[in-house]
Amino acid sequence: DQQVKQNSPSLSVQEGRISILNCDYTNSMFDYFLWYKKYPAEGPTFLISISSIKDKNEDGRFTVFLNKSAKHLSLHIVPSQPGDSAVYFCAVEYGNKLVFGAGTILRVKS
Amino acid sequence: EAGVAQSPRYKIIEKRQSVAFWCNPISGHATLYWYQQILGQGPKLLIQFQNNGVVDDSQLPKDRFSAERLKGVDSTLKIQPAKLEDSAVYLCASSLLAGQETQYFGPGTRLLVL
Repeated sequence: DQQVKQNSPSLSVQEGRISILNCDYTNSMFDYFLWYKKYPAEGPTFLISISSIKDKNEDGRFTVFLNKSAKHLSLHIVPSQPGDSAVYFCAVEYGNKLVFGAGTILRVKS
Repeated sequence: EAGVAQSPRYKIIEKRQSVAFWCNPISGHATLYWYQQILGQGPKLLIQFQNNGVVDDSQLPKDRFSAERLKGVDSTLKIQPAKLEDSAVYLCASSLLAGQETQYFGPGTRLLVL
């Protein structure tokens, strides 16, 4: 029973364009959401988070949007750079632990 | 600041053998986590420690997996006996406290069970 779903296994984007990664969740009680980025042979690194009291959080080229009614969040990367090529995991913090989605592989072409 | 250290980085064993992984968290971090990441899936929490006490081990297969954090710093995760389906990357993470605190991950140990 997946509580956090990333339905796109992969995404390919041209350098300079916008990358949009999507995530759906099932439990309306979830109130803290995170995105992690993972390069090959490395552990995931924290990227950006959002609390349910907000609908948007921005950090440089990265913006996370939260739509509570749809139980959906998305990560926007503008402009995309080749160094952004990685696996992106959506996660929710619930009960003092993280529950991760399966990840989306982003490839930014130069 | 040194990150989370894990060893070994890679391990190949045969089924029914035992294996142990080691983790050294970031200095001062009270909370330590072990995750299992199977290929094509996201990390799944196996066990969470707060100092040297277990906070959550609900998803740890206790018939074969065990973990300890005796002095509230380093931790070891053991599998005995290993099964084919245990092939995965085992990630250790730490955070200052539990809850909405950033978790910092180590590079992981890639285990292959033949």
